[in-house]
Amino acid sequence: QQQVKQSPQSLIVQKGGISIINCAYENTAFDYFPWYQQFPGKGPALLIAIRPDVSEKKEGRFTISFNKSAKQFSLHIMDSQPGDSATYFCAPPRGMNRDDKIIFGKGTRLHILP
Amino acid sequence: DTGVSQDPRHKITKRGQNVTFRCDPISEHNRLYWYRQTLGQGPEFLTYFQNEAQLEKSRLLSDRFSAERPKGSFSTLEIQRTEQGDSAMYLCASSFGAGRGPQETQYFGPGTRLLVL
Repeated sequence: QQQVKQSPQSLIVQKGGISIINCAYENTAFDYFPWYQQFPGKGPALLIAIRPDVSEKKEGRFTISFNKSAKQFSLHIMDSQPGDSATYFCAPPRGMNRDDKIIFGKGTRLHILP
Repeated sequence: DTGVSQDPRHKITKRGQNVTFRCDPISEHNRLYWYRQTLGQGPEFLTYFQNEAQLEKSRLLSDRFSAERPKGSFSTLEIQRTEQGDSAMYLCASSFGAGRGPQETQYFGPGTRLLVL
């Protein structure tokens, strides 16, 4: 059962452009919406996360937007850099505890052209 | 570095052999998770521990797989009679959980890449 659907599967953006990755979810019990970043050969690392009581959160060049009624959240990377090239996962934890098991989507492979 | 560590980083084995991986979590973390990631896919949950108690096992964890966390610190994941389909990256993560209080995120180790020939 796929509880998160991530799009696009891959994305190529010019350096300095805006990268946008979307995640649609089904389980309304999710209450914590993180994005993980994974470089080749490394484990995933938390990039940014949001709770459903806010609609947007910004950390540096990274912004997460949340639309509760549409059951979607998205990651925006402003001024994309080649070092941002990685796989990004939307990964809400299964239960009400934020450190409950994580359900990963299939990921979006982002490539930033230099 | 006080992050999550995993050993070995790479393992090549022949089909039918047993392999064991080790994970050392961040020292104050009481929860430890194992995930498996195949090429082009997101990590899939296998099992998790709170302290030394194994609280949940995925259906992905066949009876050839066993995980332990004997003293609530490091954990081992053993695969018996390996099959080619077991080839994957095995990821360990840890976190601190305190019931429904403030939660912390899971921190992942670098993974152990297993290749079964």
